[in-house]
Amino acid sequence: NAGVTQTPKFRVLKTGQSMTLLCAQDMNHEYMYWYRQDPGMGLRLIHYSVGEGTTAKGEVPDGYNVSRLKKQNFLLGLESAAPSQTSVYFCASSIPITRDGYTFGSGTRLTVV
Amino acid sequence: LAKTTQPISMDSYEGQEVNITCSHNNIATNDYITWYQQFPSQGPRFIIQGYKTKVTNEVASLFIPADRKSSTLSLPRVSLSDTAVYYCLVGDMNSGYSTLTFGKGTMLLVSP
Repeated sequence: NAGVTQTPKFRVLKTGQSMTLLCAQDMNHEYMYWYRQDPGMGLRLIHYSVGEGTTAKGEVPDGYNVSRLKKQNFLLGLESAAPSQTSVYFCASSIPITRDGYTFGSGTRLTVV
Repeated sequence: LAKTTQPISMDSYEGQEVNITCSHNNIATNDYITWYQQFPSQGPRFIIQGYKTKVTNEVASLFIPADRKSSTLSLPRVSLSDTAVYYCLVGDMNSGYSTLTFGKGTMLLVSP
């Protein structure tokens, strides 16, 4: 029972480089989300998806792009990384009408130098 | 979008009962109240959810008064392993939580 798996767990990027964070869930959940968490802060929603082929902007979408080509995968892309994007990124998934809340991954720690 | 207010931090000792209160004065009729727990270097974990009165599971209890403008998460007999950040969220379940916001949460420190 893997739940939500995030790849990679750690990454260091140079300013201007690009990368893709992968989130995979094996619970057949319709909804998936990307959050970022900065030191001493709560989680802020970047983008989310309510189904395969759909995406929507969250609270802090600038500088990020997402894709949901398969139901089980939700990709977060950084086209040109900036130091302000240094953060811990969490992916989560849920069913549409959820009595059990979100299931979160263990996070990806990204440092942009 | 209902905003929540909760204490920044709380201290307790092992074996004590801990009650964390969350204020949500603008809660809407369709909103549910959900609490999450987050340990360092881990993603948040769902603890409990409720709409009104009292909800209890194997981990915690959630007390919601009739006016639903606040809620209290109760952790019985805490241990060192309950040291974590606790988040209170309010939102319409039918939205799939797509617009929910995690605030800064309450940092609970349990000491021996």
